Amino acid sequence: AQRVTQPEKLLSVFKGAPVELKCNYSYSGSPELFWYVQYSRQRLQLLLRHISRESIKGFTADLNKGETSFHLKKPFAQEEDSAMYYCALNTNAGKSTFGDGTTLTVKP
Amino acid sequence: DAGVTQSPTHLIKTRGQHVTLRCSPISGHKSVSWYQQVLGQGPQFIFQYYEKEERGRGNFPDRFSARQFPNYSSELNVNALLLGDSALYLCASSLLSYEQYFGPGTRLTVT
Repeated sequence: AQRVTQPEKLLSVFKGAPVELKCNYSYSGSPELFWYVQYSRQRLQLLLRHISRESIKGFTADLNKGETSFHLKKPFAQEEDSAMYYCALNTNAGKSTFGDGTTLTVKP
Repeated sequence: DAGVTQSPTHLIKTRGQHVTLRCSPISGHKSVSWYQQVLGQGPQFIFQYYEKEERGRGNFPDRFSARQFPNYSSELNVNALLLGDSALYLCASSLLSYEQYFGPGTRLTVT
């Protein structure tokens, strides 16, 4: 069975500091991994997916199959990055598994 | 386009009752997924439907069922409600399998 673990429930950094939100997964097949973000009073939305290898709003995430990790990083956090972040895994059987989320607070 | 819409917004039911939640996907999206989100946890996958057929199912009891209509809208049905079914139910639609667009959710309270 697949599993996604986000070890930090809460993460607080100062504006301009680097931030890393951790995500570890377990899945025997070839996973598709995603980061979703939910800003205050807004809907859950896709931030990025590992296949696209894009940088969205300054965030990047690299899939490390050896460590089964997909950590989300940003070199200089901004106050508007404060939100709830979810890591998610899709299997080729059409099933999605989400982690329990990390609440990021960027302090001025 | 208003995005994914869900109805109702809030719902209060009694244990043992039945509930139907509705979801309208973004125009052109043929895939709809349902999730249950309990406070403090991430969304838990219930079902995915694509072109009116079930494509994926999570670890939920048979009391949970869903269907997708020819216009790609979808219903989630839950029978014999339990207190533990109280949660936010999210619907997401997608054109391709990976980019899901979420609705605002339906808050179900079972008393």
